[in-house]
Amino acid sequence: KQEVTQIPAALSVPEGENLVLNCSFTDSAIYNLQWFRQDPGKGLTSLLLIQSSQREQTSGRLNASLDKSSGRSTLYIAASQPGDSATYLCAVRDGSSNTGKLIFGQGTTLQVKP
Amino acid sequence: NAGVTQTPKFQVLKTGQSMTLQCAQDMNHEYMSWYRQDPGMGLRLIHYSVGAGITDQGEVPNGYNVSRSTTEDFPLRLLSAAPSQTSVYFCASSYSRQGGNEQFFGPGTRLTVL
Repeated sequence: KQEVTQIPAALSVPEGENLVLNCSFTDSAIYNLQWFRQDPGKGLTSLLLIQSSQREQTSGRLNASLDKSSGRSTLYIAASQPGDSATYLCAVRDGSSNTGKLIFGQGTTLQVKP
Repeated sequence: NAGVTQTPKFQVLKTGQSMTLQCAQDMNHEYMSWYRQDPGMGLRLIHYSVGAGITDQGEVPNGYNVSRSTTEDFPLRLLSAAPSQTSVYFCASSYSRQGGNEQFFGPGTRLTVL
């Protein structure tokens, strides 16, 4: 059974710092991995999608990597800003399931202090 | 494009009442799904649909019904609300059930059952 774990659960950094959020999954049979951002009381905003055949994707100050063989992904945020404060969720689309569902980690809650 | 829209944003029900959560997308996506998000449980798949007229159960389908009469709409019905159904409900869509398609989420419906 696919399981997704995110470490750390919470992170507090000063503004301007570069940071890395970690995501691990137990089964390498995935279609893709998606990183989301969720602000308190809001929905999920898709940040980056990495296909199973890709190694990384970049969008602005965000860079996500994928190592399928080791079951790991990282989300790198450069020059963090207070506006980056949110919960970040990673999710894999399980290749062994025919439901199409995403399997989510519990999230990392990020606070960027001015 | 409006993306994925959900109504209502908030709802309070009494035990035993029924209601329908609305979800619509304007991206011509074949695959639509419903998740519930609960503290400590993450997001769990309730029902999904791979096209108009086709629906199937996810992980936690009991107490919920769905139908898909058009490509755009995928309503979720609570037949007889229970306090255990207090949760945040998210609708999501993507081009297909499988493959590396990005999933897009709606803003959510926050439901309280008294």
